[in-house]
Amino acid sequence: DARVTQTPRHKVTEMGQEVTMRCQPILGHNTVFWYRQTMMQGLELLAYFRNRAPLDDSGMPKDRFSAEMPDATLATLKIQPSEPRDSAVYFCASALTGGNSPLHFGNGTRLTVT
Amino acid sequence: DQQVKQNSPSLSVQEGRISILNCDYTNSMFDYFLWYKKYPAEGPTFLISISSIKDKNEDGRFTVFLNKSAKHLSLHIVPSQPGDSAVYFCAAANFGNEKLTFGTGTRLTIIP
Repeated sequence: DARVTQTPRHKVTEMGQEVTMRCQPILGHNTVFWYRQTMMQGLELLAYFRNRAPLDDSGMPKDRFSAEMPDATLATLKIQPSEPRDSAVYFCASALTGGNSPLHFGNGTRLTVT
Repeated sequence: DQQVKQNSPSLSVQEGRISILNCDYTNSMFDYFLWYKKYPAEGPTFLISISSIKDKNEDGRFTVFLNKSAKHLSLHIVPSQPGDSAVYFCAAANFGNEKLTFGTGTRLTIIP
């Protein structure tokens, strides 16, 4: 059963530290998304890629967040420097382009910034 | 600016009864709608979808209704089962575009 893999599952860090979250999309999926879940906003789209090219990162605070796809099997989301308000669960999802194939989500990285 | 709204943060329903979860949207360009289900410590999983050319889509115990004039959709679960206890997210998109806009979620609790 193919699934999206996210690491780490949990991360606790101090304010000002760099945080890197990783995602391995489902093999063959060419579209990758980063979402953040907060109580107030629900699931917010931070950025997404198609065929490794960034399509939309308008949801991301660009002064501290960056998202990349070094290759088709790895997507990364970095926060530098991290702040307490970044505490949330970060989800990666992948999909196959064409029509509206459902997004497949990983189990998330729970980030706590103290 | 929340384009997809789920105004009920939580809902409790007796096992065997009908659960109705509601969702409103403001962007009239949305023409494809989905429901996702999320258990604790897991990612959301796709449940059911509907395009704007339909007003109803059914899959087993799950039915989604779309009222385009009211910009409103609902998810009906009947009969409700304890395994349905989860957070349900409504999402919207433009057909052919994978980018989804999600609501804030409704926590459904089924009481045995």
